[in-house]
Amino acid sequence: AQSVTQPDIHITVSEGASLELRCNYSYGATPYLFWYVQSPGQGLQLLLKYFSGDTLVQGIKGFEAEFKRSQSSFNLRKPSVHWSDAAEYFCAVGVGAGGTSYGKLTFGQGTILTVHP
Amino acid sequence: DTGVSQNPRHKITKRGQNVTFRCDPISEHNRLYWYRQTLGQGPEFLTYFQNEAQLEKSRLLSDRFSAERPKGSFSTLEIQRTEQGDSAMYLCASSPRDRGLPGELFFGEGSRLTVL
Repeated sequence: AQSVTQPDIHITVSEGASLELRCNYSYGATPYLFWYVQSPGQGLQLLLKYFSGDTLVQGIKGFEAEFKRSQSSFNLRKPSVHWSDAAEYFCAVGVGAGGTSYGKLTFGQGTILTVHP
Repeated sequence: DTGVSQNPRHKITKRGQNVTFRCDPISEHNRLYWYRQTLGQGPEFLTYFQNEAQLEKSRLLSDRFSAERPKGSFSTLEIQRTEQGDSAMYLCASSPRDRGLPGELFFGEGSRLTVL
């Protein structure tokens, strides 16, 4: 079975600083990988996804993530954090191709991001 | 596109009572999912519908839980004889069948259940 580990429960950064949120996954085949963001009172929103091809993927709100197969990692990065980025971030892995398994995601525990002015 | 709508947003109930949550997906989405999220954890998959057919259920979904999507549009999640361990946020998500890629889920804001 697949699993996702987000080693950092809580990260604090200053506004304008760079950000990297870590994600490690365990899955036997080629993974489908995602980052979602959850703001207070809001639904989970997809930031970006990786299915295949270029290992550096760009997402919304200036975020990017890099897939490293050798390290089983899919870390999320942003060069300059804004106060509005404060939220909880979830990494997720999707089951491989197969109609009935689409949307069955395994999420990590999440990383809470606090941004100081 | 009005987004995924969930009702009620908050429900407080006493142990042993039944509760029902409703999810209205994005209208053109034929896939619908229920997830559960407890404090400090990521969402956990509960069940999945394609149109009105319930195609997959997690082992987390005990026999006290039942989900339906009778006409392939809205869905309900009922919990019978609630227990304190059922306290959680219940998330609904939808996705399109043809345009969507695996995991491109659109989530609602969730229904928070508190069992006293």
